[in-house]
Amino acid sequence: QKEVEQDPGPLSVPEGAIVSLNCTYSNSAFQYFMWYRQYSRKGPELLMYTYSSGNKEDGRFTAQVDKSSKYISLFIRDSQPSDSATYLCAMSAQELGGGGADGLTFGKGTHLIIQP
Amino acid sequence: DAGVTQSPTHLIKTRGQQVTLRCSPKSGHDTVSWYQQALGQGPQFIFQYYEEEERQRGNFPDRFSGHQFPNYSSELNVNALLLGDSALYLCASSAGGAMSDEQFFGPGTRLTVL
Repeated sequence: QKEVEQDPGPLSVPEGAIVSLNCTYSNSAFQYFMWYRQYSRKGPELLMYTYSSGNKEDGRFTAQVDKSSKYISLFIRDSQPSDSATYLCAMSAQELGGGGADGLTFGKGTHLIIQP
Repeated sequence: DAGVTQSPTHLIKTRGQQVTLRCSPKSGHDTVSWYQQALGQGPQFIFQYYEEEERQRGNFPDRFSGHQFPNYSSELNVNALLLGDSALYLCASSAGGAMSDEQFFGPGTRLTVL
């Protein structure tokens, strides 16, 4: 079992729909959770960054973390064709070096297509 | 603010050769992490540099090495290239040296090994 599971899709929805993207994880030490957007052949762009459980909203984006279920979500409201990209979840435990840490752990990414 | 920059953009090498990739962090950032992203996969952590030292390392062989300079820029070196080393190599910068700090990624260097 991989540490972070993410459905690779593709997920295709019509413009204006609410999009729900999800990841599950197995390592209970993860405390910091991120969502990145990656356009084809580009580097990942940080969208949302949350600590521990709860919700965080930024414009059309809402990130949710449920540590008890080891489940995180990203919601996109009023989706636009420009939102078409691969969305990567990432997470880390609170460690400050000293060996043994694995950096950010990413899911495989979900390929999202917003149909005009 | 130029953000994180990486060079070169693309690189083609043959098996057994050595390669050096370069990264300049975002202004104000002092920590650089390197990731390998194979096609269709999420990035995998290679190592992190802070204060010119390797602080953390992922599950990559010693063929992968790095360096950080006093101006916080960094290099990733890969020796004895294998076909499986073909990937997008991403550099991410952050401030403070903690893995919990927000990391900002560069556009990557696409390495092809023939």
